[in-house]
Amino acid sequence: NAGVTQTPKFQVLKTGQSMTLQCAQDMNHEYMSWYRQDPGMGLRLIHYSVGAGITDQGEVPNGYNVSRSTTEDFPLRLLSAAPSQTSVYFCASRSPGDGYNSPLHFGNGTRLTVT
Amino acid sequence: ELKVEQNPLFLSMQEGKNYTIYCNYSTTSDRLYWYRQDPGKSLESLFVLLSNGAVKQEGRLMASLDTKARLSTLHITAAVHDLSATYFCAAFMDSNYQLIWGAGTKLIIKP
Repeated sequence: NAGVTQTPKFQVLKTGQSMTLQCAQDMNHEYMSWYRQDPGMGLRLIHYSVGAGITDQGEVPNGYNVSRSTTEDFPLRLLSAAPSQTSVYFCASRSPGDGYNSPLHFGNGTRLTVT
Repeated sequence: ELKVEQNPLFLSMQEGKNYTIYCNYSTTSDRLYWYRQDPGKSLESLFVLLSNGAVKQEGRLMASLDTKARLSTLHITAAVHDLSATYFCAAFMDSNYQLIWGAGTKLIIKP
């Protein structure tokens, strides 16, 4: 049982480049989300999805796009990378079985540097 | 708007001592989560507190929730070095079913 898998683990981009961070889960979780973690700021929600074909914005969505074509995958796209997007990105999923009473399961993170 | 504040943000303590991390939130929330993060690693769920007065314990860690005071605590008993980590609390926001996170408490336990 792999859980939540994120790729790549590390990435360096130049300003203006685009890329996609991959996230896949094998737990049949309907809810998936992307967070960014910056020093001293906790986690901030970028986008989330409550099922295939459904996505919504979180607290800090600007500069990021998502799609959810399957239950398993939830990629995060950076459209035109900026130094302010240097961060650690976490993907997380949750089982819908008992509503919002279950905890989030996190991937191992992607450390992104934009120069 | 729901805001979550943790204190202290940094705590250095000796092995064998007891201490408490506090998590205050600004508006009504009836679910509170605690997570642990080791340096360079992912976040691991510790506790999910679902109602007023909820108390959960795992080993040397005990978490409680007082929804009337909008306060959750994470108590560490007889700390050991292995508990060194950053601890996050997150409150559930009823309006959009999302979590709002505290900034984290970095805990260092010295032998």
